[in-house]
Amino acid sequence: GAVVSQHPSRVICKSGTSVKIECRSLDFQATTMFWYRQFPKQSLMLMATSNEGSKATYEQGVEKDKFLINHASLTLSTLTVTSAHPEDSSFYICSAPSGLGDADTQYFGPGTRLTVL
Amino acid sequence: GQNIDQPTEMTATEGAIVQINCTYQTSGFNGLFWYQQHAGEAPTFLSYNVLDGLEEKGRFSSFLSRSKGYSYLLLKELQMKDSASYLCAVMDSNYQLIWGAGTKLIIKP
Repeated sequence: GAVVSQHPSRVICKSGTSVKIECRSLDFQATTMFWYRQFPKQSLMLMATSNEGSKATYEQGVEKDKFLINHASLTLSTLTVTSAHPEDSSFYICSAPSGLGDADTQYFGPGTRLTVL
Repeated sequence: GQNIDQPTEMTATEGAIVQINCTYQTSGFNGLFWYQQHAGEAPTFLSYNVLDGLEEKGRFSSFLSRSKGYSYLLLKELQMKDSASYLCAVMDSNYQLIWGAGTKLIIKP
């Protein structure tokens, strides 16, 4: 089946630094990818929809200047957390629809655990 | 390799009970999650099991057997709004989520 990978799997950084997280669709093309963040035992919160070749669509309350999204190719979307602070520590997950015509089928990445000191 | 298996699609009748199974083979185990996802929406957390046994939460229950690498989500008194995809995910020893492909549940009147 379709596979979505994320890199890095975990990252620890100092407050004020920027962190880039990559999301790749390994065996299919994804014109759209979704970025979520998750707090322990809570639902995934959709942050933004990444669109290949155009600007990302951000959900209400998500700062677009803080969470920079670049969807440069049909298999890669990146999320950059700029000037990270401890409250940005979370589990970031991306997903991509399979593109097989069923809008319900999403493939999720393994997640990136960000810890900001 | 790591693998999560769950049925692709299930159909049930309104008011009935349905059990969605999930089997897994992962590198380590730090808990199993069930999520509900309606079309076009983000997944909603349903349950988290890390110890063997049954966890009941209203109409939804989740069961885990670590020795068998097996879990199920039990939905009772089905309602039309329960039509959705149900995702099983296991957190491995590296605290990475391994996702099942999801089970599309269709509820018929």
